[in-house]
Amino acid sequence: SQKIEQNSEALNIQEGKTATLTCNYTNYSPAYLQWYRQDPGRGPVFLLLIRENEKEKRKERLKVTFDTTLKQSLFHITASQPADSATYLCALRPNSGYALNFGKGTSLLVTP
Amino acid sequence: GAGVSQSPSNKVTEKGKDVELRCDPISGHTALYWYRQSLGQGLEFLIYFQGNSAPDKSGLPSDRFSAERTGGSVSTLTIQRTQQEDSAVYLCASSLVRTLNTGELFFGEGSRLTVL
Repeated sequence: SQKIEQNSEALNIQEGKTATLTCNYTNYSPAYLQWYRQDPGRGPVFLLLIRENEKEKRKERLKVTFDTTLKQSLFHITASQPADSATYLCALRPNSGYALNFGKGTSLLVTP
Repeated sequence: GAGVSQSPSNKVTEKGKDVELRCDPISGHTALYWYRQSLGQGLEFLIYFQGNSAPDKSGLPSDRFSAERTGGSVSTLTIQRTQQEDSAVYLCASSLVRTLNTGELFFGEGSRLTVL
């Protein structure tokens, strides 16, 4: 079956450090992968999309890598700030259909 | 409106009652999705609408769940004979369908359903 796995344990880091979150997938052949941010009580907000032929994508302090051989995406936040504290979700389209399937997300806490 | 609008934001109902949840997508977005998020869980896909095409209902958990999208805009998710396990946040999202189908999803704030 198709699976998207993200670290279920919360990631606690100190302000200014780089946060790295992992998304592993099984039995997908994705053309692209998306990352979203979700704050408590809010809907997810789109952050970045990376295509299968792109190894790396950057947007301000965010960097995403996509390794289709390892079936893994890494999401980095450099110079992290307390305002970056949230749950981060990765999402893939299944091999058929139009649904976007989400991982359960990893909670990030950045402390001053 | 500027974003996806959902109503009600909170709904408390008794087991066995029917509920309707409404979603008003971003104007011009042809794709509309419903997801369910239970406490501490990920987003569970329910149903997808795209233009006038037949909806993808593959995620609906039982025949107590149904959804409509009238006029290609507003959508209503109906849960009949609610059960306690239906308690969750129901999220609606809309999207432009771009080339290679890579449109990002714009989510509403969700409708929190509590079944007593």
